[in-house]
Amino acid sequence: EAGVAQSPRYKIIEKRQSVAFWCNPISGHATLYWYQQILGQGPKLLIQFQNNGVVDDSQLPKDRFSAERLKGVDSTLKIQPAKLEDSAVYLCASSLGRAEQFFGPGTRLTVL
Amino acid sequence: DQQVKQNSPSLSVQEGRISILNCDYTNSMFDYFLWYKKYPAEGPTFLISISSIKDKNEDGRFTVFLNKSAKHLSLHIVPSQPGDSAVYFCATRYGQNFVFGPGTRLSVLP
Repeated sequence: EAGVAQSPRYKIIEKRQSVAFWCNPISGHATLYWYQQILGQGPKLLIQFQNNGVVDDSQLPKDRFSAERLKGVDSTLKIQPAKLEDSAVYLCASSLGRAEQFFGPGTRLTVL
Repeated sequence: DQQVKQNSPSLSVQEGRISILNCDYTNSMFDYFLWYKKYPAEGPTFLISISSIKDKNEDGRFTVFLNKSAKHLSLHIVPSQPGDSAVYFCATRYGQNFVFGPGTRLSVLP
C-alpha cells in the first residue's frame, strides 16, 4: 500500500514570494491534516479536512495561508506572501476517521 | 501554552538497556495518547497508543504506561537497539484534534 506522498521535498524562496505544497493521502483515508513543524518543536496542526470539508482551521494564519482538498483526495497548501518565520517542515498526514495518522515525508521550506 | 510536554530534549541509553521516555499533559479531558517515532528527513511514524480507560499497553519491545491522576505517560523500550535512535513525539487526541509534544531525541549507543 502506497504511503502519503508530498511534493516538493525541499523549497527555498525569498520572503514575500508565494509557494505551494501538494499532498496525496493514502487511498481511502477520509481525513487529511496539514502540520507545520518548526525546528525543535512538535508538529502543530494547521488544518484538518474530512473528505473535502474543513473540520478545523483555527490555527491556520488565514491572512497568508490557504488550503484546499480537491474532490476529497489530493490537497494543496499555499503560502502567499511568505515570511521568514514560515521556515519549517510542512507535514501532510491522513487517517481513517479518528485513528492514528500516517505522515508523509514532509516539505522543508526555507524562506530567505 | 504547551498542553503536551516532553521535558527531556534528549536521552542516551546503552544498547540492550531500557529506554524510558516521559510525557506530561495538562488537560484531563484528553482521552487518547499516541507515541510517534521520527527519523531524519522522514515523517513521524506511529508507534503505539493507549486509551484513557487503560493504564498500560504493550506491543513487542514497546510499552506505554498512563498515569491519569498525575497526567503522565511514559514509553518504555526494552531492550533498546541502535535502530531505535530517533526523535520520539508524544501526542494526544482531544475530540478531532491532535496535539504533539516537542519531542525527545533518543540515542542508543552500541
